[in-house]
Amino acid sequence: EVQLAESGGGLVQPGGSLRLSCGASGFSFSGYAMTWVRQAPGKGLEWVSGISGSGDTTYYADSVKGRFTVSRDNSKNTLYLQMNSLRVEDTAVYYCAREPIPAVGFGYFDFWGQGSLVSVSS
Amino acid sequence: QSVLTQPPSASGTPGQTVTISCSGSSSNIGTKFVHWYQQLPGAAPKLLIYRNNQRPSGVPDRFSGSKSGTSASLAISGLRSEDEADYSCAAWDDNLGHWLFGGGTRLTVL
Repeated sequence: EVQLAESGGGLVQPGGSLRLSCGASGFSFSGYAMTWVRQAPGKGLEWVSGISGSGDTTYYADSVKGRFTVSRDNSKNTLYLQMNSLRVEDTAVYYCAREPIPAVGFGYFDFWGQGSLVSVSS
Repeated sequence: QSVLTQPPSASGTPGQTVTISCSGSSSNIGTKFVHWYQQLPGAAPKLLIYRNNQRPSGVPDRFSGSKSGTSASLAISGLRSEDEADYSCAAWDDNLGHWLFGGGTRLTVL
């Protein structure tokens, strides 16, 4: 059974940093692209970042480019999102999701985690 | 402001058919597959339709998707109370080089 579990969310002050993790199980992790999607309170889904199965290709939304870094450790079946220079508008539930192919953008999001809440406030 | 445009709300009575639209452009819906996600209250999103009109295993055939030009639609027939949820479309955008989501449509079953 495919399972994705986010962790690392919490309350942080503006300008601070946080690292989210997404542990994966039930599939061959390195064979799949992974993505981060966020949802601000009461708002719709916003794609944040994606990474290929090998980890050699990454993509970012303009809203986070230069501040967030996506990475993965295929030996640990774990996806990461390093978030720096956090802003109030980054407050959201962050979901990790899987694309059923190794390359970003050619699939769809077939499995999702339950999400991790990040609150940016002074 | 989403580049994929959806109506913010839709409603119907049990048994009716409801259609939700998703409008884009030639760099996304016009040349790429459209996918739909369902998000029940308090839950994570779930894949509902992929590659315009394909249903994952376990999704009832009451849900169907279509695409024409730069627009796509999700149809829900035989509406049931448990269909009350947010529905979002998504597509890759070749110009932007990343995924796009629609703003989401909240479906109310009256």
